[in-house]
Amino acid sequence: DTGVSQDPRHKITKRGQNVTFRCDPISEHNRLYWYRQTLGQGPEFLTYFQNEAQLEKSRLLSDRFSAERPKGSFSTLEIQRTEQGDSAMYLCASSSSGTTYEQYFGPGTRLTVT
Amino acid sequence: AQSVTQLDSQVPVFEEAPVELRCNYSSSVSVYLFWYVQYPNQGLQLLLKYLSGSTLVESINGFEAEFNKSQTSFHLRKPSVHISDTAEYFCAVSSDSSYKLIFGSGTRLLVRP
Repeated sequence: DTGVSQDPRHKITKRGQNVTFRCDPISEHNRLYWYRQTLGQGPEFLTYFQNEAQLEKSRLLSDRFSAERPKGSFSTLEIQRTEQGDSAMYLCASSSSGTTYEQYFGPGTRLTVT
Repeated sequence: AQSVTQLDSQVPVFEEAPVELRCNYSSSVSVYLFWYVQYPNQGLQLLLKYLSGSTLVESINGFEAEFNKSQTSFHLRKPSVHISDTAEYFCAVSSDSSYKLIFGSGTRLLVRP
């Protein structure tokens, strides 16, 4: 068990550019979650998948954001036409569909939009 | 809708003193409660959880939290803190209706020698 991994760890981009982040969950976990954390705040839920199905999306997830989990394993989060307000830490977590409900978090991808 | 309130943004305390980090939640359904810890420059780690059963839950490093349904609280306590406990602590809630975690804004525990 190598834990949840995220790539890249840091991303600096110019306003208007598109960015894509990747998350690899713990291998036996079928639920995968994306959160966003800004400085001084707790993580905010963005979306989650059970296997390849996207089951819930937050109102925070504007149409510039899209997430996929095509084979029920890794997931990607894409932000199109980035804005300075998108600067944040993007966190991925995974959990099993058992009864423990606990989510395991990756180290995050820090996005800076200049 | 569910929400979590952590009233204390920062709690300074001297080493070996007791500490309590407060967490209150609001929910119209049965909840599951969690405390996560974020050490400097590290990711979120689960500290402890309440799912059902005994209302007092403990972690391996001496923290405990008590679920109080009537007061809708899940306060985190430690009888004697160490310098190494300096971190950001987040309280979170989820439920069977949605597996997402709703987090509070966090409490920074600052342990001084």
